[in-house]
Parts: sequence; structure tokens; C-alpha cells
Amino acid sequence: GEDVEQSLFLSVREGDSSVINCTYTDSSSTYLYWYKQEPGAGLQLLTYIFSNMDMKQDQRLTVLLNKKDKHLSLRIADTQTGDSAIYFCAEKFGSGNTGKLIFGQGTTLQVKP
Amino acid sequence: SQTIHQWPATLVQPVGSPLSLECTVEGTSNPNLYWYRQAAGRGLQLLFYSVGIGQISSEVPQNLSASRPQDRQFILSSKKLLLSDSGFYLCASWQGLAGGPSSYNEQFFGPGTRLTVL
Repeated sequence: GEDVEQSLFLSVREGDSSVINCTYTDSSSTYLYWYKQEPGAGLQLLTYIFSNMDMKQDQRLTVLLNKKDKHLSLRIADTQTGDSAIYFCAEKFGSGNTGKLIFGQGTTLQVKP
Repeated sequence: SQTIHQWPATLVQPVGSPLSLECTVEGTSNPNLYWYRQAAGRGLQLLFYSVGIGQISSEVPQNLSASRPQDRQFILSSKKLLLSDSGFYLCASWQGLAGGPSSYNEQFFGPGTRLTVL
């Protein structure tokens, strides 16, 4: 079945790198996404990776995808206090503007000054 | 680009009372629409999705229901709320990414409704 797992909490110091990890069970997904949720707000897309890619870099964000181990990670370089939020990974099943997303439980990132 | 509105933003209801949450979408036509629930300290759970007017698919059996009376309107309802219905309800639709691959779409979320059942 479709299942996505994340660790629940990560604490880092400002300026350090953060690595948020995600594992999944179903490898038939087309895209994988990282979303950010600030307190009391909806979800904001941070970045995505196509399932046939290994890595994607977008400014301070680096996404690594290990299809063999079914492992996805998000690295945030030079983490800032404004990065404190809940981060969700999600798998997309289906194509185009159909299909559905399966989300992990979310990782709460705490950035200490 | 799309804009998703959700109403109300927050709601406090007693157990056993009815519920109606509204989601409306601007800037697109014939969207596929989704209702998610986020319980406190937990991830997102897909509740319902709709591919068109009057078409509803349920992902999780429960005391909630959904309706799609108009192309850009998606309603989440309950006849009698339970304590376990408390949570943050998010409406979403798919949106293409300007300049991105033609096959790519992202799920775009509304601001959410926070429901507390007492």
C-alpha cells in the first residue's frame, strides 16, 4: 500500500544545515513534493522532484531521491529562524491534474538562534 | 493562477451539531478538488475528491460528506459532529507550474478552516 513516513521533530542552530528525511513504500509515484506549513497557515509548495531524477537543487534547497531505498530527503542550507515550520513530503499517484497525494506526518523543524 | 477561498477561517461547534465548510476556486475551470483534514500533531488525511459537478469520491468512511454543487464550489458537511472531527480542514486543487514541464502539476492549497468540536 501507499505509506509515507517522516521523523516528527528536528532541531538545528541558525546557520547550520537541516536535513529532513522521508521514506515511502510505493515506488509507482510520478512526482514527490516537499511542502512547508507555517503555524496556522495552509501548505506552501517548496520544491518537487520527478521520480526519475536523483537530485534537484533550488537555491538553499537540495532534494535527494534514492529510489532503491525509497528514501527522499530535503536539505536546507544556512537554516534561518524563518525556516521554522512543519515540512511535509508527499507522493503523487496519477498524472496531470488528476491523481492524489499521499502525505507523511510532517517534520517540525525548530531553528534556534 | 488559481486562488482558493475557504470559509469560515475558524469554527467552534458543539458535539452533535451540523457542519458546513465551503471551498471556492477562482482562476480556473473544471478543477479537480480535494478535502484534507489535519488532526492536531498529525499529517494530512485525504477525505474526499471531486472531478466534476455532482461527482464525489470518498477516501475514508466517516460521518462527513462532501458535495460539488457548482464547478468551482466544494462543500464539506456533517449532520452530527464528533469530538474526533476537530482539526484543520484544507481544500486543494491541481495547478500547472508556469515554465515547468507540461506533465507537472502541483497541489495548491487554500488557507484552511480550523474546526474545534467541544
